[in-house]
Amino acid sequence: NAGVTQTPKFRILKIGQSMTLQCTQDMNHNYMYWYRQDPGMGLKLIYYSVGAGITDKGEVPNGYNVSRSTTEDFPLRLELAAPSQTSVYFCASSGLADSSTDTQYFGPGTRLTVL
Amino acid sequence: GDSVTQMEGPVTLSEEAFLTINCTYTATGYPSLFWYVQYPGEGLQLLLKATKADDKGSNKGFEATYRKETTSFHLEKGSVQVSDSAVYFCALHLGGGSEKLVFGKGTKLTVNP
Repeated sequence: NAGVTQTPKFRILKIGQSMTLQCTQDMNHNYMYWYRQDPGMGLKLIYYSVGAGITDKGEVPNGYNVSRSTTEDFPLRLELAAPSQTSVYFCASSGLADSSTDTQYFGPGTRLTVL
Repeated sequence: GDSVTQMEGPVTLSEEAFLTINCTYTATGYPSLFWYVQYPGEGLQLLLKATKADDKGSNKGFEATYRKETTSFHLEKGSVQVSDSAVYFCALHLGGGSEKLVFGKGTKLTVNP
């Protein structure tokens, strides 16, 4: 199993550009998450999904969109990049019906810089 | 609201020293508690967890006990190694439809030989 994979690893965007961060998991997990990690801070939840076709906002969803058309994939879309979106983005997944006790498995992250 | 407070870092220790990283939480329900570790250049990975009061999580020589009376989940290791150098995150998860891990800010640990 590859686990949770993310692409790209690094990206530099200009203000106003758009991009999609890709996330794929091969563990057949129902739950998937997107977090951002700012320097010296913990992770903050952007969006999450409890299954294909179902998504919901987390703590900091503004400026982002997601979709979940398959169990495996959970892409994160930035439509109009802003410097405040400079961060490291982590995708995660978990599998048990009771996600509160289950481990979340994290991808290696995407480091995004908006100039 | 629900929150996690970790001791401020960075923490620098010599090899074989004793480690404690304090973590306290505020939650309206009965959360599960986690310690995640992030090695340089990598994503987070679960270190240990505890799902109810008085449970002790342990892994790789690290331990933490879920103390409901003090709302704490302190991480300890008796003898740290250079390879333990990483950032450690305490987190809670309430479940019950609240699909959210709440993280502390992280504590950077550096272990010198």
